[in-house]
Amino acid sequence: EVQLLESGGALVQPGGSLRLSCAASRFAFRTYAMSWVRQAPGKGLEWVSAISGSGDITYYADSVTGRFTISRDNSKNTLYLQLKSLRAGDTAVYFCAKEVGARATTDSYFDYWGQGTLVTVSS
Amino acid sequence: QLVLTQSPSASASLGASVKLTCTLSSGHINYAIAWHQQQPEKGPRYLMILNSDGSHIRGDGIPDRFSGSTSGAERYLTISSLQSEDEADYYCQTWGSGIRVFGGGTKLTVL
Repeated sequence: EVQLLESGGALVQPGGSLRLSCAASRFAFRTYAMSWVRQAPGKGLEWVSAISGSGDITYYADSVTGRFTISRDNSKNTLYLQLKSLRAGDTAVYFCAKEVGARATTDSYFDYWGQGTLVTVSS
Repeated sequence: QLVLTQSPSASASLGASVKLTCTLSSGHINYAIAWHQQQPEKGPRYLMILNSDGSHIRGDGIPDRFSGSTSGAERYLTISSLQSEDEADYYCQTWGSGIRVFGGGTKLTVL
């Protein structure tokens, strides 16, 4: 079965930076688009960013545009999210999710999810 | 603007059926949506893709107690023969113009 394992979450001060990773296995990673989705404590799911299978197409939610960068290394079957200029409102569990489509432009829904990694932004 | 609207809560008795609703915003009533379940303290789990014509395909290992249907802008998730483990948050999700959108979620209580 598909496995997605996030890591890199930590306590970080406002204005700080962090890089999250998602190790993927048991599927043809390079063939599928991937996304990051977050969930603030006690709140619902919020999509953050998506990247195509080849890595040439990226999308961001307005709330993170200019501060977060999504990338992937298909040779390592790993998805990344670089977080910068962090704010208290970025505190959340961050999930990586596999998309059904390849290009991140169609079939942009999630058929597998990881268990998440917690990012806490606080002084 | 692409928006999905869900009722915050629902409840039903053990063994009964419940129908959850997700409403698409005006101008987007032909969009497909996906349903996801999130049990307490767990990551979400994909349940199904639900098309505008009511056809749906369940995810791997999802029992046929979970089904989907459509009426206009409404997308439904019906859970029959409710079990205690069905107590969870349920989210609908769609996409368009590069963005992905979630509904606010419905917290289902199994009585």
